[in-house]
Amino acid sequence: DQQVKQNSPSLSVQEGRISILNCDYTNSMFDYFLWYKKYPAEGPTFLISISSIKDKNEDGRFTVFLNKSAKHLSLHIVPSQPGDSAVYFCAATGGTSYGKLTFGQGTILTVHP
Amino acid sequence: NAGVTQTPKFQVLKTGQSMTLQCAQDMNHNSMYWYRQDPGMGLRLIYYSASEGTTDKGEVPNGYNVSRLNKREFSLRLESAAPSQTSVYFCASSEAGTSLTANYGYTFGSGTRLTVV
Repeated sequence: DQQVKQNSPSLSVQEGRISILNCDYTNSMFDYFLWYKKYPAEGPTFLISISSIKDKNEDGRFTVFLNKSAKHLSLHIVPSQPGDSAVYFCAATGGTSYGKLTFGQGTILTVHP
Repeated sequence: NAGVTQTPKFQVLKTGQSMTLQCAQDMNHNSMYWYRQDPGMGLRLIYYSASEGTTDKGEVPNGYNVSRLNKREFSLRLESAAPSQTSVYFCASSEAGTSLTANYGYTFGSGTRLTVV
């Protein structure tokens, strides 16, 4: 039972345009959400997070939006750069899973020059 | 550089062999985790240790054992390796522990690529 789902295995975007990565969750106890970025042969690195008391969090070119009623979050990257090409993982925690992260399957983002 | 160090980076085992994956962090974090990454499955939690002296099962613990040797070190042992354990293994640490904190960010190691033949 996949509690965090990223239904798009891959996304291809032109440099300078917006990248939108989506994530859905099923566990209503989740109250904190994170995005991680992973380059080949490296471990994932923390990118941005959002608490369930907010619906938006921005950090430079990265913005995460949370729609609690739809159990959906998205990561927007504007403008996209070739260096953003990586695998992006959505993760969630909360309730009895407090402190443990449940990850989605990941989305491979490719930004073309 | 401060962070999470995993050894070895690569390993090939024969079915039935045993091995221990080592992990150490120097950030004084309370919590440590072992995940495996498989294509199409994302990262799945094998075992975790909320604090020194405690360990708990995650989502996919079968075939593994762990030891939280001290606050810095958390090892993962495969007693009898199987081809289904072919994967990339990541160790991570965080400050979260069992107390409420705004920072749930994990710091990950660079991974161990394990192949069981």
